[in-house]
Amino acid sequence: QVQLVESGGGVVQPGRSLRLSCAASGFTFSSYAMHWVRQAPGKGLEWVAVVSYDGRDQFYTDSVKGRFTVSRDNSRNTLYLDMSGLRAEDTAVYYCARGQHQLAESHFDYWGQGALVTVSS
Amino acid sequence: SYVLTQPPAVSVAPGQTARITCGGNNIETKSVHWYQKKPGRAPVVVVHDDSDRPSGIPERFSGSNSGNTATLTITRVEVGDEADYYCQVWGSSRDHLWLFGGGTKLTVL
Repeated sequence: QVQLVESGGGVVQPGRSLRLSCAASGFTFSSYAMHWVRQAPGKGLEWVAVVSYDGRDQFYTDSVKGRFTVSRDNSRNTLYLDMSGLRAEDTAVYYCARGQHQLAESHFDYWGQGALVTVSS
Repeated sequence: SYVLTQPPAVSVAPGQTARITCGGNNIETKSVHWYQKKPGRAPVVVVHDDSDRPSGIPERFSGSNSGNTATLTITRVEVGDEADYYCQVWGSSRDHLWLFGGGTKLTVL
C-alpha cells in the first residue's frame, strides 16, 4: 500500500534552516509529481511546493520563493524540502502528498501524517 | 489570482444531507477536488475531478460543479463525517499554483 512518512520536523529559531524528508513506498515513486502542503495552527491547508516526477520542474507558493527548495531522489524514493530563512509564520504541520504524473489539473491522492515545524526563539 | 470561497461552517443533524459549496469565478471550467481533514489526521480526498469518488469513499459523498459554484454533498450524514472540508483546484499553466478554499467546518448536531 502507498505510504508517505515525513521526518525532520522540530523547533528552530527564526532565520535558521531545516530539512524535511518524505520517504515513499508502495508505488513507483519516479512516476509521480510530489507536493508539500502545510497547515498552520488553527488555519487552513496551504499548498507550498511541487516537484515534477523527474525532478526537472519545481514550483512554489509566493511566500516561500527564494527561501524553500523542493527536490527528490528517485533512487532513494525520497522527497525533500529545504527551508531556510525560517519565519514565525512558517510554523505549521508540513505534509508531503502524492500528485499525478502530469502537473496540470492534478490533485493529491495520498498524504503523509505530517511533520511539525515550529519557528520560535 | 484565483480565489476559492467556502462558508466557514455548516451544521446538519445525523441522517440529513449536508451541502458544502466552493465558489470561484467560472469554476465550472476547472476540475475541483474535495478533502476531508480531521484533527491530528492527514487529509483524505473524498471527491476528485468534480464528481469522481476514490475507492473506499462511501457513496454518500458526491460532487458537482456548475457555473461559479462547486458543491460537495454528503447524504445520510453520520457523526463520523464531522470534519473540516476543503475544496482545491489547479490554478493554471501560467501560475502553476494549487489553490485551496478556506475550509468549511461540518458539525453534526
